[in-house]
Amino acid sequence: EAGVAQSPRYKIIEKRQSVAFWCNPISGHATLYWYQQILGQGPKLLIQFQNNGVVDDSQLPKDRFSAERLKGVDSTLKIQPAKLEDSAVYLCASSLARGGLAGGINEQFFGPGTRLTVL
Amino acid sequence: AQSVAQPEDQVNVAEGNPLTVKCTYSVSGNPYLFWYVQYPNRGLQFLLKYITGDNLVKGSYGFEAEFNKSQTSFHLKKPSALVSDSALYFCAVRPSYSGAGSYQLTFGKGTKLSVIP
Repeated sequence: EAGVAQSPRYKIIEKRQSVAFWCNPISGHATLYWYQQILGQGPKLLIQFQNNGVVDDSQLPKDRFSAERLKGVDSTLKIQPAKLEDSAVYLCASSLARGGLAGGINEQFFGPGTRLTVL
Repeated sequence: AQSVAQPEDQVNVAEGNPLTVKCTYSVSGNPYLFWYVQYPNRGLQFLLKYITGDNLVKGSYGFEAEFNKSQTSFHLKKPSALVSDSALYFCAVRPSYSGAGSYQLTFGKGTKLSVIP
């Protein structure tokens, strides 16, 4: 079974530039998550999708971050414009959904992440 | 809001000795608890979870964790450590109720485990 795919693996940009990350979840996984992991910290949820609908985006800085999952499969996370403090690893994860939104009891499968450096 | 504390940044243990990685949590109502492991240059991998039932949960690679409601703890344990267990370990929690804000999994900052040959 193929895992969660992410690209690119590494990205270096100047502040105020824009960047986009792509994620393809495990086939059949309805729930998709984007996390930000700053060095020395645990992952922090940015946004959670159930199919193509947003379940939770309460920690997404909406003035600069956006995400979409148009067909309920792969997803794109964008930052525009980037700030120095956005330097982090961006992780995508997916999980099965059982019983609707209570599918949060399912384990999440993580991709390898995209390491973003903002100079 | 829920939170997770992993009080040790690093744990060192000799190969063959038992290991414990500590985790305490704060959440409204009953918790769902998880342990994930992160190997260098690889994504997080699920180890085990507590949803309900038996307080001792067994997971992958010989790991187990004990849920203690009175102490709000969920410590990760293994009877005999291997060098290959060296990695970064994350504890995570979410509330068991359904509703606004309940779907978010909150992670601790991680504990680096080093198993010394």
